[in-house]
Formats: sequence, structure tokens, C-alpha cells
Amino acid sequence: GENVEQHPSTLSVQEGDSAVIKCTYSDSASNYFPWYKQELGKRPQLIIDIRSNVGEKKDQRIAVTLNKTAKHFSLHITETQPEDSAVYFCAASEDYQLIWGAGTKLIIKP
Amino acid sequence: ETGVTQSPTHLIKTRGQQVTLRCSSQSGHNTVSWYQQALGQGPQFIFQYYREEENGRGNFPPRFSGLQFPNYSSELNVNALELDDSALYLCASSLPEIEAFFGQGTRLTVV
Repeated sequence: GENVEQHPSTLSVQEGDSAVIKCTYSDSASNYFPWYKQELGKRPQLIIDIRSNVGEKKDQRIAVTLNKTAKHFSLHITETQPEDSAVYFCAASEDYQLIWGAGTKLIIKP
Repeated sequence: ETGVTQSPTHLIKTRGQQVTLRCSSQSGHNTVSWYQQALGQGPQFIFQYYREEENGRGNFPPRFSGLQFPNYSSELNVNALELDDSALYLCASSLPEIEAFFGQGTRLTVV
């Protein structure tokens, strides 16, 4: 079955700098890769997703890249702001049975 | 708000008891997935229901069972509760090929 690894587990960046979170997956059949943001005590919220027929997708300050050959995908957040502080999860799915990474706690330092 | 609602929001049960958690999916969504999220960890896939049939299952024992109704709402049942079952239980509803929307979760505490 699918296995997703996520790094780093904690990331601390200066406000205004960029943050990059990386995930690898094992099942080459996976074709959908969402990223979720979860604030303390709240439900995960989809922030961006990418499908396997696309290499990159951008939405304002957030971008995701996918390398199918290497089976890894990354989340890029530019011009980080205090409200970006949260736990970010990557996931991989073949049939919307999401298999999740362990999460990255993003800390934005003022 | 996502339109996905879960009940109850919090629950305390004793080890060995049984529990039923409920999820009302977003209007028109025919697929419901259930996840267990232990404190400080990512959600773990329990199972998925599509049009009232189980459509995939994660690495959870048979005492975790589910049901989906004709209106696509769903239940998660857990028998013989163990202390390690204490977690946030999330359901997510979706249509095929469309993103999943999560409910706010049910916080289960087993004592």
C-alpha cells in the first residue's frame, strides 16, 4: 500500500521568508496529491492540490510541485505571514483514500 | 463551513464499551471517508464508503465498522473500546475526482 513520508517535522522561518515542505510517496499509482492546513483544534482545510498530469500549480503565495519520476512533491509558501503558522499535511491518493504524511509544524517568527 | 457535520463533538467512554459516531455529508457527495487522528499525528485512513458500499479499508481491526445510508450520511462504530482508541475522528465527504471536505471531528476519550 501507499506510504507517505513528510519532512521536516518542524520548520521555523522568519516572517517574510519562504517555507518549503517535502513529501515522498511509494505507490506509483497515486494520482492526486493534496496539501492540508490544520490549525490547533480545527479540521484540516485543503489549501492546494495537484494531479499527476501536472508538474506545478500555483495559487497566490502557495505553490506545489510534483516529480512523478522521483515520487516526491513539495509545498512552497512565499512571503510567509503569522497566519501561516499551523500544521501542514501532505497526502497521496489513488482513489481519494487519502494516505497522509505525519505533518510539519510551521512556525513563523516575527 | 464545509457542510459536513459530525456528532457528537466530544465523547467520553469507558474501556470495553461501544461507540457510534455520525457524519452528515455535504449535499450531493456520495463518498464518505473516515480517519483517526491521534494527538500530534496525521490522520490515518480507516475506511471509505461509496454509494452505501465499503470501498477501501485501512489497517484497522474488524471492531471498527461502518455504514452509509441512502442519503449518504454515515456512521462509524467501534466495539470493545481500548485506551488507544482515544483520538479525533474525522469524516470527509466528496464526489469522485473532487476534493474532500472534512467535518469538525469527534473527540473520543476512552478511560
